Amino acid sequence: GESVGLHLPTLSVQEGDNSIINCAYSNSASDYFIWYKQESGKGPQFIIDIRSNMDKRQGQRVTVLLNKTVKHLSLQIAATQPGDSAVYFCAEKETGNQFYFGTGTSLTVIP
Amino acid sequence: GAVVSQHPSWVICKSGTSVKIECRSLDFQATTMFWYRQFPKQSLMLMATSNEGSKATYEQGVEKDKFLINHASLTLSTLTVTSAHPEDSSFYICSATQGGFNSPLHFGNGTRLTVT
Repeated sequence: GESVGLHLPTLSVQEGDNSIINCAYSNSASDYFIWYKQESGKGPQFIIDIRSNMDKRQGQRVTVLLNKTVKHLSLQIAATQPGDSAVYFCAEKETGNQFYFGTGTSLTVIP
Repeated sequence: GAVVSQHPSWVICKSGTSVKIECRSLDFQATTMFWYRQFPKQSLMLMATSNEGSKATYEQGVEKDKFLINHASLTLSTLTVTSAHPEDSSFYICSATQGGFNSPLHFGNGTRLTVT
């Protein structure tokens, strides 16, 4: 399989600050990437995705950046709120339907 | 849209019994469903990939006779943990995709299995 790793296993941010969660991937053939949020005891929830022909995509309070040169993906959360506390996974997909998941980053928002 | 329902959300069973977990795509047809296992504070471990109407493809190290997967329709896949043992206790999560280019995975809410 492919390795998809996250640089930081845990991240603590102050409420209202911006959060940045990073992910490195190793397969340059990966063409589709997704960020998921997983709250305790629940399944992962889709946040935002990006195709390999893009380098930035914005959603509501979230932005995903893709740097294909260094095979790096990041998720930026603006004005982080307590409800953003969760584990965040990046996932990459090559051709076909199989996704590869990173190890996850646990985000804690400090009130 | 793209809701995946997983049932039950938790189950406790005795060692040696079998447990069936259902995964349904409620508002789309899932050409492919995936089953994952997740240990505390760890990432998702892919167990098997199932395509409607064909046999599941199991990942290395996953016993196909112990974890029976059936994908009888485009909206339903089941995972049966046969002759469960305490070491099978875990969080099992299914996901589904419509398939095709850039089609995301949609996850169920997981099943917490405890084998006593």
